[in-house]
Order: sequence, then structure tokens, then C-alpha cells
Amino acid sequence: QQQVKQSPQSLIVQKGGISIINCAYENTAFDYFPWYQQFPGKGPALLIAIRPDVSEKKEGRFTISFNKSAKQFSLHIMDSQPGDSATYFCAASGGNTPLVFGKGTRLSVIA
Amino acid sequence: DTEVTQTPKHLVMGMTNKKSLKCEQHMGHRAMYWYKQKAKKPPELMFVYSYEKLSINESVPSRFSPECPNSSLLNLHLHALQPEDSALYLCASSPEVRNTGELFFGEGSRLTVL
Repeated sequence: QQQVKQSPQSLIVQKGGISIINCAYENTAFDYFPWYQQFPGKGPALLIAIRPDVSEKKEGRFTISFNKSAKQFSLHIMDSQPGDSATYFCAASGGNTPLVFGKGTRLSVIA
Repeated sequence: DTEVTQTPKHLVMGMTNKKSLKCEQHMGHRAMYWYKQKAKKPPELMFVYSYEKLSINESVPSRFSPECPNSSLLNLHLHALQPEDSALYLCASSPEVRNTGELFFGEGSRLTVL
């Protein structure tokens, strides 16, 4: 059973556009929701994270929106750039459950 | 640059070989992890070391053996691997034992089993 469902699997966005990746979870014990960015040949890097007590967190061009009642959260990348092209993983942890990853979204930003 | 250092970056081994992957962090983090990542898949947790205690994903075969010589070092000993074990092996650390979501990953060791 997949604990964190992520969509879309791949995404192509024009330079300057908005990239949106969505995730949904079932386990209400989750209390930490990070997003990881991974470039080819590199390890994942923590991009931004949110806890359920806030509905939105913004860091530069990256924003997490969190809907606790719907058990959904999403990553918005504003003014997307070719350098943002990477694989993005949503994840969740909490309770006795270690970090669980979504299946990943491969983002391509084209000029 | 990542503050979790993994060596070697690439490793090719036969099915009868014994080799080790090494990981080091100097951030004073309290927990360290081994993950396995196949192409186009998310990282998959293998082992967790925290407070000198090992937590195992029971689906990991015994041909993988972790070792934690001290709080900043984590090794993964490999023996009698199979070609399907070829993957990117990622080491990670986290500042807090309770929050396993804030992970700092190394760049990984790319393992090929012939």
C-alpha cells in the first residue's frame, strides 16, 4: 500500500511558468511533510518542508500548500527555470513511521 | 556540496566479491541511514542507526550488513550480491532521532554487480 501518492509522474513547463506537483497521504500520524529535489547522479536534497499546523510555507520561488482536512499537499515552483529541471519527491514522516517517499515527478523546464 | 561524504562513488563487483561502502558525516547528527535507489524510483530505506541502535528493514537480505564504528561513520558491507542489487546506495543523516524526515543525503555510491 502506497502511503504517499504523488502526481503527475512527469511534467513539462515553459520557462517562467508555474510548476505544480501534488501529493496525498492517508496516515494521520504524519506530522512532517518535506519535498526533496534530486538531480541526475546526485543524492536527494531537502528543498522545503511543512508541518500540519500551517497551511502554506514559502521559500523564494518554492511554496508548499497544505490541506490537512483533505490530507493533501502540493509544491508550487513559481517562475520555473531550466535549472529547476530535476526529479521531485514528496515525503511524509511521523508517529512510528520513518520517512515515506512518493514515487517522484520528473520536471523538465523548457526555454 | 553535501556534508555527507560517501566512498567510493562507483563500485563494480562480482557476485563472489566482498566489498564495503563508507559514509561519514561531521554535522553531529544523531541518526544515520542507508537507502537503496533504483533508476526512476524513490529511495528505499534499508537501515537506520541511532544511539548505537540498529533498526532494520526486514525485507533487506542478509548479504547487506551495516556497521557503525562511531557516531559519524556508517559502513555497508556487501557479500555475495546479485545483479539485481545494482543500484545507487545513498547514505543520509538527520539531526534529530525523532524526526526522520529531515535528511541530509550524500551523493551516493553507484554499485554494479556483474
